[in-house]
Amino acid sequence: AQTVTQSQPEMSVQEAETVTLSCTYDTSENNYYLFWYKQPPSRQMILVIRQEAYKQQNATENRFSVNFQKAAKSFSLKISDSQLGDTAMYFCASSGSARQLTFGSGTQLTVLP
Amino acid sequence: NAGVTQTPKFRVLKTGQSMTLLCAQDMNHEYMYWYRQDPGMGLRLIHYSVGEGTTAKGEVPDGYNVSRLKKQNFLLGLESAAPSQTSVYFCASSYALRGRQPQHFGDGTRLSIL
Repeated sequence: AQTVTQSQPEMSVQEAETVTLSCTYDTSENNYYLFWYKQPPSRQMILVIRQEAYKQQNATENRFSVNFQKAAKSFSLKISDSQLGDTAMYFCASSGSARQLTFGSGTQLTVLP
Repeated sequence: NAGVTQTPKFRVLKTGQSMTLLCAQDMNHEYMYWYRQDPGMGLRLIHYSVGEGTTAKGEVPDGYNVSRLKKQNFLLGLESAAPSQTSVYFCASSYALRGRQPQHFGDGTRLSIL
């Protein structure tokens, strides 16, 4: 079984600043994938970034990047130059041979003007 | 393309009533999933399907049934609704199970059981 833990229920950041959301996971799989999804008040689930566990290079998508520490089973999300539109619930998730996405409990991020 | 469409978007039921949630995708995805989202928790997998005519149980399958008669549709049924099934339900689809391609989500169905 896989578990995903997000220990920060809420965070806030000033507009244009940088914020890091934490995520740890546990898995017995050798080949797995990690994701960050964003859920704004509209309730849509939007993929932010994806990391393949066998790739050592950290994934980057514009202002979003991850710090993937495989040995520590850590997968944090860094948002640079935060924008008001980044306000949302952020979910970390893992996917492995169990054939499902396992989600953390989420971090509510508020970007302050 | 519409992507993943869920019907209905909102529904209120009385305890013991039955209903079916419909998920339709137009991306020719093989794999489809039903999740529920409760306050303070992430999404949890109810059932999933790896192809037309096949279904499997996820993490929280009790009280639900599913069917995948057509590749593009995945139905979630509640035979006798209970207040514990009050939740937001999400459908998702993808090309591959093992995460090589991300899951695409519908907009959710808010279901309240009185």
